[in-house]
Amino acid sequence: DTGVSQDPRHKITKRGQNVTFRCDPISEHNRLYWYRQTLGQGPEFLTYFQNEAQLEKSRLLSDRFSAERPKGSFSTLEIQRTEQGDSAMYLCASSLAGRTVSYEQYFGPGTRLTVT
Amino acid sequence: GESVGLHLPTLSVQEGDNSIINCAYSNSASDYFIWYKQESGKGPQFIIDIRSNMDKRQGQRVTVLLNKTVKHLSLQIAATQPGDSAVYFCAERLGSNFGNEKLTFGTGTRLTIIP
Repeated sequence: DTGVSQDPRHKITKRGQNVTFRCDPISEHNRLYWYRQTLGQGPEFLTYFQNEAQLEKSRLLSDRFSAERPKGSFSTLEIQRTEQGDSAMYLCASSLAGRTVSYEQYFGPGTRLTVT
Repeated sequence: GESVGLHLPTLSVQEGDNSIINCAYSNSASDYFIWYKQESGKGPQFIIDIRSNMDKRQGQRVTVLLNKTVKHLSLQIAATQPGDSAVYFCAERLGSNFGNEKLTFGTGTRLTIIP
């Protein structure tokens, strides 16, 4: 399978615990994005990377959230001191961008987080 | 702020008929639009995209129309099949020369194909 993969697919945690999700993009893609999706809504942008550089962060990304892409390949999204409001599907996407053009974003299957 | 919305939250279509899903966007600076299909428990699946210098683009059984005058986007699916049942999202992106690559999604339209 050469698509975007995410791990784990499901995570149940207690409020106050820390969680970490992983995303492996399509291998030649230099851009990687994180989105959050709640039930019945469209995905909301959180942050994106070009190679290892984090270029933009949404206001949705509070201080409890941190994302990394240390080697420009896979990425991790960590949520510290989880709250019930963090319960959502966390989606990762990747795309290929050149100097003057960028292409469609391909999404992974998502990690569904439930905070109890 | 900018937003992407959909006119209808649900749409039911008889199998074999054509369906049209509509979307309104508010940011005239958006230069790129995408339609995604999302099945239950899965991530959004790319269907078709269109850049703002075009008004129509066709794929396999799908056509996207862009009307920049009224900031309207539509997705036409021809000869619908049961596998087309899903939630469909349109998404917009600000011009890439803004250095902004994020997609802004609407809330989605649930398409149900009736056998």
